[in-house]
Amino acid sequence: GQQVMQIPQYQHVQEGEDFTTYCNSSTTLSNIQWYKQRPGGHPVFLIQLVKSGEVKKQKRLTFQFGEAKKNSSLHITATQTTDVGTYFCAGPPGNTPLVFGKGTRLSVIA
Amino acid sequence: EAGVTQSPTHLIKTRGQQATLRCSPISGHTSVYWYQQALGLGLQFLLWYDEGEERNRGNFPPRFSGRQFPNYSSELNVNALELEDSALYLCASSLGGAGYTFGSGTRLTVV
Repeated sequence: GQQVMQIPQYQHVQEGEDFTTYCNSSTTLSNIQWYKQRPGGHPVFLIQLVKSGEVKKQKRLTFQFGEAKKNSSLHITATQTTDVGTYFCAGPPGNTPLVFGKGTRLSVIA
Repeated sequence: EAGVTQSPTHLIKTRGQQATLRCSPISGHTSVYWYQQALGLGLQFLLWYDEGEERNRGNFPPRFSGRQFPNYSSELNVNALELEDSALYLCASSLGGAGYTFGSGTRLTVV
């Protein structure tokens, strides 16, 4: 079955540093979605990318979808303590439920 | 607009018992998804219901089952509980598969 892999598994940064997490799928995706889960919380939908090579920005967050639609990245500029949490990418292998990566846990040291 | 609601918030059961978890999707969402999140792990897909039918199930044993009611709410049943079933069970709903909205989850502890 489809696998979605994320690296790194953990990332510790000083407040103000940048952060990037990468996502790779074993199969081509029709779209890729990103979610954030705060400690003790539930995943919250951030964004969906659909087009090959698509880049979207949300304030300090930049999301990219690879040309082959098999990889994606999330970049956070100048991290803040509010960015703490686990970031998941997820893709649907066809008309099936989302397959989630294992996530990247971000810690921000003030 | 009310979000996805799950009940109960916490559930403690003894090994071998049965657990029933409930989920109400966002109004108008016909698809309900169940995921298991064991401590420190990612989200593992359990079941997908749409329009009252089971559309897909993940790689879990048959003692994990559920159903969707005419009002699109859903129930997850776990029979013959095992210690490793202890996890956060998340329900999500969506319209057309884009952008899942998750509930706060049910924390199941099997002792």
